[in-house]
Amino acid sequence: DIQMTQSPSSLSASIGDRVTITCRASQSISKYLKWYQQRPGKAPKLLIYGASTLQSGAPSRFSGSGSGTDFTLTISSLQPEDFATYYCQQSYTNPRTFGQGTKVEIK
Amino acid sequence: QVQLQESGPGLVKPSQTLSLTCTVSGGSISSRSHYWSWIRQPAGKGLEWIGRIYTSESTYYNPSLKSRVSISVDTSKNQFSLKLTSVTAADTATYYCAREDYGGDNWFDPWGQGILVTVSS
Repeated sequence: DIQMTQSPSSLSASIGDRVTITCRASQSISKYLKWYQQRPGKAPKLLIYGASTLQSGAPSRFSGSGSGTDFTLTISSLQPEDFATYYCQQSYTNPRTFGQGTKVEIK
Repeated sequence: QVQLQESGPGLVKPSQTLSLTCTVSGGSISSRSHYWSWIRQPAGKGLEWIGRIYTSESTYYNPSLKSRVSISVDTSKNQFSLKLTSVTAADTATYYCAREDYGGDNWFDPWGQGILVTVSS
């Protein structure tokens, strides 16, 4: 299985801050990398696919980059509704695997 | 707009079989453009992909659960179902159904709202 490792596991930030979350794959996954946002008590919601393509309806303050094994999710200016847990996921091969999540909390 | 909704018992006894159904509305489960997946999440923990079905025939199960899992489709009801046998407390989780694109970048979207299943006597 491809292991997906996110860092940090949690972070505290203020409204307006720029936030960066990293995801590393245990082997190359090209650009088959997605990012999801999960608010408490809700299902995950697709933010980015293809490592850098913003899902329709997702705010433009979210951006993704990377290829191969190293990927980044950036929130350019943190908003109150962005406090949530973020997961990366690979679809390069089966079984599909997710990172352990990064919880973004209010400072 | 496609929507998914999980249903089934919220409490299952140890050693018994967990059975859940996902009802798809706004689209056809017979679509050759999508997989239909189950994903679970223990409370406070991360996401684990259980497996998927494609066109009622082709399935893939996570090797970690393969010996206990089966996924099937009922095209007449536009539903797909999950069965997990010999459950233990470790199977207590929120279970989600989700659609995955076939042949493209394969993202999970949309997801159902999730159903909490507790394994306890």
